[in-house]
Amino acid sequence: EPEVTQTPSHQVTQMGQEVILRCVPISNHLYFYWYRQILGQKVEFLVSFYNNEISEKSEIFDDQFSVERPDGSNFTLKIRSTKLEDSAMYFCASRSRDSDYGYTFGSGTRLTVV
Amino acid sequence: AQKVTQAQTEISVVEKEDVTLDCVYETRDTTYYLFWYKQPPSGELVFLIRRNSFDEQNEISGRYSWNFQKSTSSFNFTITASQVVDSAVYFCALTPTFSGGYNKLIFGAGTRLAVHP
Repeated sequence: EPEVTQTPSHQVTQMGQEVILRCVPISNHLYFYWYRQILGQKVEFLVSFYNNEISEKSEIFDDQFSVERPDGSNFTLKIRSTKLEDSAMYFCASRSRDSDYGYTFGSGTRLTVV
Repeated sequence: AQKVTQAQTEISVVEKEDVTLDCVYETRDTTYYLFWYKQPPSGELVFLIRRNSFDEQNEISGRYSWNFQKSTSSFNFTITASQVVDSAVYFCALTPTFSGGYNKLIFGAGTRLAVHP
């Protein structure tokens, strides 16, 4: 079964450093998402991406965050200057088309900011 | 506004007991999808079920069953004869299906289920 691949599975970074979280969505999917889950809390929407642009973003997704689909296969989330409160599990998800609500989630990247 | 409420923060049962996880949602949309996901200790999100708002039929899959009632805006999840492997956090989620929207998932806070031998 096709899957969404996220790398790395765990990343530790120093406060103030830039991090890039990588995702390879399912190849024929058109809609891409990033979600965040702070430890012990609920999963929160960050951003959706369609047709090479951001289609919706939450209030969490401020100027420190950016997304990119640089080569037609990868989908990245960049945090420019990490803060301690960015420590969380970050999930990438994708789905195929408007009428299909079968989201496929990656296994997540656990980001720890020290 | 759209919202998903899982009032039960933690549930603890003994193996073989039946357990029901509650989910209540709010939405002004007339069409939407509801989901349940399981998050085991390893952290990934495991898809369990997706239900269209037009389909109020209850569903059974092995030891799992779901009760969808639009009248009470609830989509409850029952595990029959629980097992230790069912121990996880369970999330209920909602997405509208209006055209033009990009259909983010709105998650509830989750219910942590602990099944003891």
